[in-house]
Amino acid sequence: GAGVSQSPSNKVTEKGKDVELRCDPISGHTALYWYRQSLGQGLEFLIYFQGNSAPDKSGLPSDRFSAERTGGSVSTLTIQRTQQEDSAVYLCASSLRVSGATDTQYFGPGTRLTVL
Amino acid sequence: KNEVEQSPQNLTAQEGEFITINCSYSVGISALHWLQQHPGGGIVSLFMLSSGKKKHGRLIATINIQEKHSSLHITASHPRDSAVYICAVRIGNYGGSQGNLIFGKGTKLSVKP
Repeated sequence: GAGVSQSPSNKVTEKGKDVELRCDPISGHTALYWYRQSLGQGLEFLIYFQGNSAPDKSGLPSDRFSAERTGGSVSTLTIQRTQQEDSAVYLCASSLRVSGATDTQYFGPGTRLTVL
Repeated sequence: KNEVEQSPQNLTAQEGEFITINCSYSVGISALHWLQQHPGGGIVSLFMLSSGKKKHGRLIATINIQEKHSSLHITASHPRDSAVYICAVRIGNYGGSQGNLIFGKGTKLSVKP
């Protein structure tokens, strides 16, 4: 597709369950980012991938959060043993590369996660 | 103190007014982004700046690296400009920077007809 896509668009889960959120970046973009936006809060960085380098996981809030990027393209964000405070919109973005003039990030529509 | 501060938090304007949104940051950066988040939640990247000024249509973004300050201006504002405008910085040195962005809390703009 032309833009970043994410699935599902909405996810409702029960506390304690695991969830997987998917991001399809723009084809050819080597950098991929995950952010989250909790209700009434600003955007918060979670993790980013750049090519084949080790991901920057410095924004992950706990060890219940993990992410993979397979084949340098699709990424999956996994939240284990979900808690109510995990409820948020999870946004994915991609860019051609991290540095330089082509670093404009293109955002996906987000996945709204609700933990009951 | 947040590393990225925006002002004002909320802004109401009449259609046609000139609007300025400010962003100050306290860390060394390699780039600054202005993002627009529509009421439906979608985020659009408006500008990425590392120096000087950029213009796109009625939007102008400026940055003063020495003063660690950026402004987003909207000329001849229109109700469709109503959105949350978010400033974000990428920390670190050019070419060796980290990839993550640090975000301001956003400025909610409402333009009345």
